Amino acid sequence: DIQMTQSPSSLSASVGDRVTITCRASQSISTLLNWYQQEPGKAPKPLIYAASSLQSGVPSRFSGSGSGTDFTLTISSLQLEDFATYSCQQTYSTPYTFGQGTKLEIK
Amino acid sequence: QVQLQESGPGLVKPSETLSLTCTVSGGSISSYFWSWIRQPPGKGLEWIGYIYHSGSTMYNPSLKSRVTISVDTSKNQFSLMLSSMTAADTAVYYCARRITGTGWYYDLWGRGSLVTVSS
Repeated sequence: DIQMTQSPSSLSASVGDRVTITCRASQSISTLLNWYQQEPGKAPKPLIYAASSLQSGVPSRFSGSGSGTDFTLTISSLQLEDFATYSCQQTYSTPYTFGQGTKLEIK
Repeated sequence: QVQLQESGPGLVKPSETLSLTCTVSGGSISSYFWSWIRQPPGKGLEWIGYIYHSGSTMYNPSLKSRVTISVDTSKNQFSLMLSSMTAADTAVYYCARRITGTGWYYDLWGRGSLVTVSS
């Protein structure tokens, strides 16, 4: 199985901050990497697919980059509604594994 | 718009079989892959498996011996059966639709169904 490791596991930040979350794969997955946002008690929502493509309707302050084993999700200017948990997922090979999640909290 | 809704028991006894159904409303179940994903309390997401509308399936090897995913196109539903349940299977179970293509992702999710394993 491909292991997906996110860092940090949690992060405190303020409205307006620029935030970067990292996801590392245990082997190369090309650009087959997705990011999801999950609010407490709700289902995940897609943000970024294929490492850098923005899902329709997602604000442009969200961006993704990377290829191979190292990927990043960047939020350029945090808004109140962005405080949630973010998870990466590889779609390179089955089983399609997820990172453990990064909880973004208000400082 | 297309919506997914999980249904099934919230409580299952150890050693019993879980049966969950996902109903697709507002659209057809054809031409997509349909998946089950679970999330234990306070933990990350775990992919369980998928089924294509034609009936072909793929399962997570860690669960393969206990999992069956099936589809009923006439009812626009797909289902999950997970046998020999233990406390470790306590989780929120989500059904999700997978967009087809190389850079695919889960674009639609159900609200989730909390399943607790306890006697």
